[in-house]
Amino acid sequence: GAGVSQSPSNKVTEKGKDVELRCDPISGHTALYWYRQSLGQGLEFLIYFQGNSAPDKSGLPSDRFSAERTGGSVSTLTIQRTQQEDSAVYLCASSPDGGRANYGYTFGSGTRLTVV
Amino acid sequence: QQQVKQSPQSLIVQKGGISIINCAYENTAFDYFPWYQQFPGKGPALLIAIRPDVSEKKEGRFTISFNKSAKQFSLHIMDSQPGDSATYFCAARPQGAQKLVFGQGTRLTINP
Repeated sequence: GAGVSQSPSNKVTEKGKDVELRCDPISGHTALYWYRQSLGQGLEFLIYFQGNSAPDKSGLPSDRFSAERTGGSVSTLTIQRTQQEDSAVYLCASSPDGGRANYGYTFGSGTRLTVV
Repeated sequence: QQQVKQSPQSLIVQKGGISIINCAYENTAFDYFPWYQQFPGKGPALLIAIRPDVSEKKEGRFTISFNKSAKQFSLHIMDSQPGDSATYFCAARPQGAQKLVFGQGTRLTINP
């Protein structure tokens, strides 16, 4: 597609439920990133995928968070047993090269998650 | 912990004025410094970026100034326009890493 697509755009869930957030990166982009943006805060790195390499999961805040990327394209971020502090906008980004070239990310519009 | 500190948190500038947003970092091992612009309901979009071997980069009305010794970099928006009203984020990439460390953001409002 022309841009990074994320779905759903909004998600309201009850505390304790599991949620799945989807990201469809730009076709041909080998690198994919998930960030979290809490109200009034900057973006917090969660996880990075590059091709077939093992993902960098160093930003995942707890073992309730996991992500996978299938076929080097679509990615799903899963949050288990959601907590109120998980409420945030979850942003996905892709770039053509996760290597040393200084390509900027292209971000999607995000999924606004509200845990009630 | 690698950090990027951004100021001010919010900024109001008159149309035609200069908007200045500052960032400082605490770790010397960064090799790329991008700025992102975010409009409400949208994801951030890359605005301009600089490498630490360059002291200034200009693209149209947007200029990054980089002071390596002071570990500071700033965004200047010349002739600010109402359409520039957005939230701006500075960021830095740790050497050898692919992630970006973001500042807290600056909400810029340009009054007509």
